Amino acid sequence: EAGVAQSPRYKIIEKRQSVAFWCNPISGHATLYWYQQILGQGPKLLIQFQNNGVVDDSQLPKDRFSAERLKGVDSTLKIQPAKLEDSAVYLCASSPDGGGHYEQYFGPGTRLTVT
Amino acid sequence: RKEVEQDPGPFNVPEGATVAFNCTYSNSASQSFFWYRQDCRKEPKLLMSVYSSGNEDGRFTAQLNRASQYISLLIRDSKLSDSATYLCVVYGAGSYQLTFGKGTKLSVIP
Repeated sequence: EAGVAQSPRYKIIEKRQSVAFWCNPISGHATLYWYQQILGQGPKLLIQFQNNGVVDDSQLPKDRFSAERLKGVDSTLKIQPAKLEDSAVYLCASSPDGGGHYEQYFGPGTRLTVT
Repeated sequence: RKEVEQDPGPFNVPEGATVAFNCTYSNSASQSFFWYRQDCRKEPKLLMSVYSSGNEDGRFTAQLNRASQYISLLIRDSKLSDSATYLCVVYGAGSYQLTFGKGTKLSVIP
């Protein structure tokens, strides 16, 4: 079974530029998550989708971050404009459903460096 | 108080040693508990769920004490391949999402 796919794997941009990340979850998984993991920290949830609807985006900095999940499958996360503190690994995860009893499967992440 | 707190580590132990990690959570209404493992520059992967009765998977034992809001992970007979960061994860700690601790880094030394 194919895992969660993410691209690009690495991205270096200058502050105030824009960047977008793409995620393809495991086939059939209804719930998709975007996490931000800063070096030395645990992952922090940015946004959770159930099919193509947003379940939780309480920790998403909406002035600069946006995300969408078209047709309830693939998802993109965008940062515009980027700040130095956005340097982190952006992890996408998926699970069969959104309940806390399900394992979340993570993709390899996109390592973003903002200079 | 942070929602999920772990031993800061790092833990450097010789092969064959027994090592224990501790974790506390702040919200008594939390519903589910997990340990995830994250290798260096890799994504987190589920190691095991944690049940009130305690559970064991080979050399790994996880325990939950709801009264003390405390979770532990015990690794017996440590292997070099156990070297990783161990993340304590709580579901429902204030919201319907997974909350991760900072992680405890383990290095098993030959």
